[in-house]
Amino acid sequence: AQSVTQPDIHITVSEGASLELRCNYSYGATPYLFWYVQSPGQGLQLLLKYFSGDTLVQGIKGFEAEFKRSQSSFNLRKPSVHWSDAAEYFCAVGAGDSSYKLIFGSGTRLLVRP
Amino acid sequence: DAGITQSPRHKVTETGTPVTLRCHQTENHRYMYWYRQDPGHGLRLIHYSYGVKDTDKGEVSDGYSVSRSKTEDFLLTLESATSSQTSVYFCAISDPPWAGQDTQYFGPGTRLTVL
Repeated sequence: AQSVTQPDIHITVSEGASLELRCNYSYGATPYLFWYVQSPGQGLQLLLKYFSGDTLVQGIKGFEAEFKRSQSSFNLRKPSVHWSDAAEYFCAVGAGDSSYKLIFGSGTRLLVRP
Repeated sequence: DAGITQSPRHKVTETGTPVTLRCHQTENHRYMYWYRQDPGHGLRLIHYSYGVKDTDKGEVSDGYSVSRSKTEDFLLTLESATSSQTSVYFCAISDPPWAGQDTQYFGPGTRLTVL
């Protein structure tokens, strides 16, 4: 069965520092991959997605992610974190060959030190 | 929130009672989804709808039913609520995947507590 693993439950970074959030998936074929962000008390917002093509994907709010098939990873990065980036981040994969039946990871909560 | 409302936003109920949560959209998106969010589990898909009266099960559908009698409304029903259904429930909407717009837009959530 497909699954998504986000190995870091919490990450704390200083404002202005770089950020990398890890995501590993299990799926035999090329997956549909997504990163969503959830601010406290809110719903989720799509940051970026990968379906095919260029393995480096640019998203909103200065985020990017790189698909690495050999490592089954889709890590999210940002070169300089802002205090407003503090939130919970979820990686998701499309189940089977669908891009809409999503399987989510358990999330990584990002804390930003001033 | 892309024109999605959920009602109620908070509900406390007792074990064994029926509960219905409503998701309403003003975006005319064809696909609608119900997820539950629990600590340590992320979001898990309960049911989804790909059109009026067209629904299918998701990952954790046991104990839940859904109905969609019109495009804008998607109802989630717990026939007999149990404490294990205490959770935050999110509705989402999207265009069909073949339309090239796979982004799911999420509602603000409903916090349900079953005592």
